Amino acid sequence: GAVVSQHPSRVICKSGTSVKIECRSLDFQATTMFWYRQFPKKSLMLMATSNEGSKATYEQGVEKDKFLINHASLTLSTLTVTSAHPEDSSFYICSATDGRMNTEAFFGQGTRLTVV
Amino acid sequence: KQEVTQIPAALSVPEGENLVLNCSFTDSAIYNLQWFRQDPGKGLTSLLLIQSSQREQTSGRLNASLDKSSGRSTLYIAASQPGDSATYLCAVPRGGGADGLTFGKGTHLIIQP
Repeated sequence: GAVVSQHPSRVICKSGTSVKIECRSLDFQATTMFWYRQFPKKSLMLMATSNEGSKATYEQGVEKDKFLINHASLTLSTLTVTSAHPEDSSFYICSATDGRMNTEAFFGQGTRLTVV
Repeated sequence: KQEVTQIPAALSVPEGENLVLNCSFTDSAIYNLQWFRQDPGKGLTSLLLIQSSQREQTSGRLNASLDKSSGRSTLYIAASQPGDSATYLCAVPRGGGADGLTFGKGTHLIIQP
């Protein structure tokens, strides 16, 4: 299957700082990337959809100024958690697709963010 | 709004047993259904993708079935091994597949040696 690389796998930051998470498609061009958040013992929840070269579409309840998404190339999308607070601590996972309908979804390894 | 439910939430069985994990979804107008495996603190590994026109898919000891009309899918694991211990998630597309996925909460599986 296709390879999606997410970095870093773990990050600890101080409250009030910003953290950037990268998601790369290694062997295909990802026209669309998705960012999910997973709380303990909960489902993955879609946060936003990013299309290469355009603004991200955020799900209801997700603050776009808090979670900045950039998809500047067909192989890279970034999620920046700005002014992080302890309640932002969570597991963030990206997914990438080549934009074709009805195809398999591939996910990154996830990033465990802890805000202290 | 699509909702995905997985039963049971947790399952613990001795090594060697065959087992079935269940997934149900409320809106049967899906393009496909995908089963994933998630190890603790890790990302998702795709196991099987069933298209809406298919009834089942097999990969090694795994067999997934889909009954779209009744909104159900099952994941059958044959001859379970301790290495199968993980959380298993099922997911369906929110739209045509270009709108992300809706996930169930998963089944936490423990295979006892």
